[in-house]
Amino acid sequence: AQKVTQAQTEISVVEKEDVTLDCVYETRDTTYYLFWYKQPPSGELVFLIRRNSFDEQNEISGRYSWNFQKSTSSFNFTITASQVVDSAVYFCALITDSWGKFQFGAGTQVVVTP
Amino acid sequence: EAEVAQSPRYKITEKSQAVAFWCDPISGHATLYWYRQILGQGPELLVQFQDESVVDDSQLPKDRFSAERLKGVDSTLKIQPAELGDSAMYLCASSKSAMRAYNSPLHFGNGTRLTVT
Repeated sequence: AQKVTQAQTEISVVEKEDVTLDCVYETRDTTYYLFWYKQPPSGELVFLIRRNSFDEQNEISGRYSWNFQKSTSSFNFTITASQVVDSAVYFCALITDSWGKFQFGAGTQVVVTP
Repeated sequence: EAEVAQSPRYKITEKSQAVAFWCDPISGHATLYWYRQILGQGPELLVQFQDESVVDDSQLPKDRFSAERLKGVDSTLKIQPAELGDSAMYLCASSKSAMRAYNSPLHFGNGTRLTVT
């Protein structure tokens, strides 16, 4: 069975602080894909990044960075120098070859105050 | 603005009434998904279409929920009769192909927030 755990329900920071969102996944498949989505108050989920199980390189995109560690089954997401516009719910998701469906975590609410 | 169109944005209905949601995916996207998102949780798949065919409806409560995508374009999700526990956000998503779903990120609509009283 596939499972995604986002243990942090809500994180509150002051603007310009860094914030790290944790994601721990479980799967028996050797081939799988991990995603992060952002859900602003408007409701739609916005795709941020996809990572496959064979690529453990960390990635940076502007103020966003991702740390993928297979040894700990984690795919953490860091927002550097947070801004008010980063306030949203962030979801980690997993899809595997055998399951074929996206399994979402429960999400982490990020609140950035000025 | 989301590229996947959904309506209505909000719906309040009384228990035992019928309710319907509409979704128009991104043009050319063969795969369409309906997800249910209960407050404080991640989205859960209800039904997946490939063109006009249902690929997966294993999590759809078929005694009260139905979904169709007659011409393989837009789709309707219906609940009849609605129950209090159906209160949630209903999200529609589309992708180019489900053959290798991991290569086709989901594009979501703004969702329909349903409140059953």
